[in-house]
Amino acid sequence: GENVEQHPSTLSVQEGDSAVIKCTYSDSASNYFPWYKQELGKRPQLIIDIRSNVGEKKDQRIAVTLNKTAKHFSLHITETQPEDSAVYFCAAGASIDKVIFGPGTSLSVIP
Amino acid sequence: NAGVTQTPKFRVLKTGQSMTLLCAQDMNHEYMYWYRQDPGMGLRLIHYSVGEGTTAKGEVPDGYNVSRLKKQNFLLGLESAAPSQTSVYFCASYSGLINEQFFGPGTRLTVL
Repeated sequence: GENVEQHPSTLSVQEGDSAVIKCTYSDSASNYFPWYKQELGKRPQLIIDIRSNVGEKKDQRIAVTLNKTAKHFSLHITETQPEDSAVYFCAAGASIDKVIFGPGTSLSVIP
Repeated sequence: NAGVTQTPKFRVLKTGQSMTLLCAQDMNHEYMYWYRQDPGMGLRLIHYSVGEGTTAKGEVPDGYNVSRLKKQNFLLGLESAAPSQTSVYFCASYSGLINEQFFGPGTRLTVL
């Protein structure tokens, strides 16, 4: 079955800097890669996703890149703000019903 | 427009007791999901539904049952609760047409 690893487990950046979170997956059949943000004590939010027919996707300050050959994908957040502080989860699978989640990255943005 | 709601918010059970968690959505989404989240971990899918009257098993279905008698409601049942089922349970709904997924606020369940 699918196995998703995520690095780093914790990340601290200065406000205004960029943050990058990387995930690797094991199942070459996976073709759907969502990212979720979860603030402390709150519900998860789907913030962006990418499918295997696309190499990069952007939405304002966040972007996701996918390298299917190497089986890794990354989340990039530019111009970080304190409200970006949260735990970010990547996931991979054949569809949204089949995704396996990574263990999460705790991002702290220092004002 | 309440989005996705869950009841109850908190519950404490004794081993062997049963309970039902209710999820309701008012966005007319076809797909609904039940996840569990254990401390320091990502979500794990328990069961899901692709439409009224349908259910399917997710990654960790054992010990749980579900029903989707109405499109807007998705029920998660624990027939005989075990301490290993202590977790936070999140319900979600999804629209494939506009690719949006929304989560409920969660139910914190403790089984003693």
